[in-house]
Order: sequence, then C-alpha cells, then structure tokens
Amino acid sequence: SQTIHQWPATLVQPVGSPLSLECTVEGTSNPNLYWYRQAAGRGLQLLFYSVGIGQISSEVPQNLSASRPQDRQFILSSKKLLLSDSGFYLCAWSGGTGDYEQYFGPGTRLTVT
Amino acid sequence: QQPVQSPQAVILREGEDAVINCSSSKALYSVHWYRQKHGEAPVFLMILLKGGEQKGHDKISASFNEKKQQSSLYLTASQLSYSGTYFCGTLRNSGGSNYKLTFGKGTLLTVNP
Repeated sequence: SQTIHQWPATLVQPVGSPLSLECTVEGTSNPNLYWYRQAAGRGLQLLFYSVGIGQISSEVPQNLSASRPQDRQFILSSKKLLLSDSGFYLCAWSGGTGDYEQYFGPGTRLTVT
Repeated sequence: QQPVQSPQAVILREGEDAVINCSSSKALYSVHWYRQKHGEAPVFLMILLKGGEQKGHDKISASFNEKKQQSSLYLTASQLSYSGTYFCGTLRNSGGSNYKLTFGKGTLLTVNP
C-alpha cells in the first residue's frame, strides 16, 4: 500500500529565516505530487504541483519554491520566510493517470514569528 | 475557478441527515469529496465521474449533475465521527495531460450527541 510522509510535523521559524519541508511517497511510481497551504480556518490553496522529476508548476507567485529531485520526493523551500507564510502545509500525491484522487500527508504546521 | 460550497456550516444531532452542495461555473471532469478533522490532513471520501460512476465511501453517498456542474454529498443518519470540514474538489484539464483539482472553501459539519 502507498504511504506519504512529511517532516517536520511542526516548525517555528523567525521572519527572514530559510525553510525546507520534505515529502516522500512510498509504494507507488511516478506519482503526481502537490504542495498545498492552509491558513487557519481556511481552505486549501494549491502552491505547486509536479508530474515528474524536475517538472514543477507554480500556482501562486510568492517567495516559496519547490523541487523534485527524485521520483517520490518533493521539497518545499524558501530563502526568507515572511509572517504570511505561516500555515498548515500539506503534501499530496495522486496517480499520473486515472481519476487523480489525491491522498494527503500528515502535514507540517509552520509558525513564522 | 474555485467551486462554491453551501452551506458554510451546519449543526446536526446524531442520527439527523445533511446535504452539502458544490457547484462550478466551468465544465468538470469529475468531483472529489474530502473530509478534514480538526488539526488533521484531509481524507479522500469519494469521487464522482461523468456518466454517474461513483467510487469511494460505502456509507456516504453523492450525486453529480453534469449539466448543472453541481454535486451534492448526502450524509444520512449522521454519526459523531462525521464531524469535520468537508471539501469538494473539481477536476479540470489544465492543458495537455495535466489535470488540476481546485477545492472549495469547505463546509463545517458538527454532529452533537
């Protein structure tokens, strides 16, 4: 069966510091991978998605970036965090074909102080 | 184009029924439903495909009206475990073989004893 991991689970970072969140998927090959952000009490905002190694599509212009160095690894980064970057970051995967239902990782709760 | 969900919130007593609606102004490939409990990641419930095929949860039902681009989620004989925020996601082709899921703002369902 497929599993998706995210770390860290929680993170408190000062404004201006860098960020690196990692997501890995097990039990599947060539998945589509997604990064979402959810502000407190709000909906799911798609940040990036990837259909393959090195292929990243950005949905929202911002100070975040994403990379996919391996088939089942997806990384979210920032060089300098802003207060507005606080939120619940969720990684998700779906099949590359078929119905595209998405399965979410446990999430990282980021607080920028 | 974000789908519109209604109602924004609903409070039930255990055993009561509820309907959550999701509508889009754009042609859809499919509609997905997710439930998120407080502090947790969203969990896939079901997917509704064009032509009426439905995949997923065996205790929650849904419908998809392709002509109206609307979907409804039916929660019957609600249980305490049904509490959470329900999101619909509408899948559209974003170019070539890329498909993108856009989520609504969510419906907060509270089931009381």
